[in-house]
Amino acid sequence: GDSVTQMEGPVTLSEEAFLTINCTYTATGYPSLFWYVQYPGEGLQLLLKATKADDKGSNKGFEATYRKETTSFHLEKGSVQVSDSAVYFCALRGGGADGLTFGKGTHLIIQP
Amino acid sequence: NAGVMQNPRHLVRRRGQEARLRCSPMKGHSHVYWYRQLPEEGLKFMVYLQKENIIDESGMPKERFSAEFPKEGPSILRIQQVVRGDSAAYFCASTRETDEKLFFGSGTQLSVL
Repeated sequence: GDSVTQMEGPVTLSEEAFLTINCTYTATGYPSLFWYVQYPGEGLQLLLKATKADDKGSNKGFEATYRKETTSFHLEKGSVQVSDSAVYFCALRGGGADGLTFGKGTHLIIQP
Repeated sequence: NAGVMQNPRHLVRRRGQEARLRCSPMKGHSHVYWYRQLPEEGLKFMVYLQKENIIDESGMPKERFSAEFPKEGPSILRIQQVVRGDSAAYFCASTRETDEKLFFGSGTQLSVL
């Protein structure tokens, strides 16, 4: 079945550091790929998405590129802020599937 | 426009009791998804419902769990005879159409003593 693997956390960085959170997937067909963010005490919010190979999703300074050859969708940001501290989930929706398949989440902590 | 509302935020039950979790989707949304997040795990899909219909329940445990989304009122996830292993955060998400963006609620944290 479909699966998503993302790097273990917590990831602790200093403000203005470069961020990469790795995500790889296994799926049949051509899935759509997503990054969701969960701030403390809140529900998940869609951060960005990509629906086909080589698409780049971007939002709030975050980017991720759909790499079919490496089955990856790594999340990057050039300069993180304290307000980026949250849990980040990589997810996919397979062709014809109704529900999203999520990774375990990566807790990001940004220190001032 | 209120977001997806889940209640209660926290629910404590003793083993063998019933748990009822409620989800009111965003206004105009007729598709509801339920997910479960176990400690140290990602979110796992449980069930997908449209008004009065269960579309996909492939992620639901075969026993003790049921879900409904009536014509009027919130979607309900019901867990009968709860066990400690049911302790988890349960998230609801809604959307207007199948391929549209999912909007998540803040979740219900179920603790079984």
